[in-house]
Amino acid sequence: QQQVKQSPQSLIVQKGGISIINCAYENTAFDYFPWYQQFPGKGPALLIAIRPDVSEKKEGRFTISFNKSAKQFSLHIMDSQPGDSATYFCAASRRNYQLIWGAGTKLIIKP
Amino acid sequence: DTEVTQTPKHLVMGMTNKKSLKCEQHMGHRAMYWYKQKAKKPPELMFVYSYEKLSINESVPSRFSPECPNSSLLNLHLHALQPEDSALYLCASSRGLAGGSDEQYFGPGTRLTVT
Repeated sequence: QQQVKQSPQSLIVQKGGISIINCAYENTAFDYFPWYQQFPGKGPALLIAIRPDVSEKKEGRFTISFNKSAKQFSLHIMDSQPGDSATYFCAASRRNYQLIWGAGTKLIIKP
Repeated sequence: DTEVTQTPKHLVMGMTNKKSLKCEQHMGHRAMYWYKQKAKKPPELMFVYSYEKLSINESVPSRFSPECPNSSLLNLHLHALQPEDSALYLCASSRGLAGGSDEQYFGPGTRLTVT
């Protein structure tokens, strides 16, 4: 029940396309859902996060869609660029508990 | 300044060595974390310090010893490591101990190789 399942494991998208990464969770007590972006040789950086009181959050080209009833959330990257090539991790947590991480998605944007 | 710094960037050590990893932040954060990350895996939590007190130890072997000298500094002392301990060691900080619901800022990591 503590798991966060992330898919796909890897994704190749053409430049200008939409990249979509999905995550699913079981624990309905989770109340915070961040996405982290990690470039090779760097630490993860928070990209965007959502709480379950909203169904969508957009920051520039990055959008989180959240479906509370389905216990799923996804990251959409619009107009994907080669600089977006990185590993993306979804995560979930609840107050006073630590992050539960998804397995990660390696995204490659082809020029 | 939203930076977490870590030194050294790379470390190669033998199984009998003693070494330390250092982490520093000047954002006034009161929670600091050590994570271990293996290739192609998510970060794995090791320790959490809250207000300079160890609040979480995720059953980490005693060959890893954390220390928080003050609210800005976090050390990880290493002794008698095994080759399987080779990994990227990440430090992170957050404002307080709201657990994962606080945004965590990560450092660039120390790439550790145990020979």
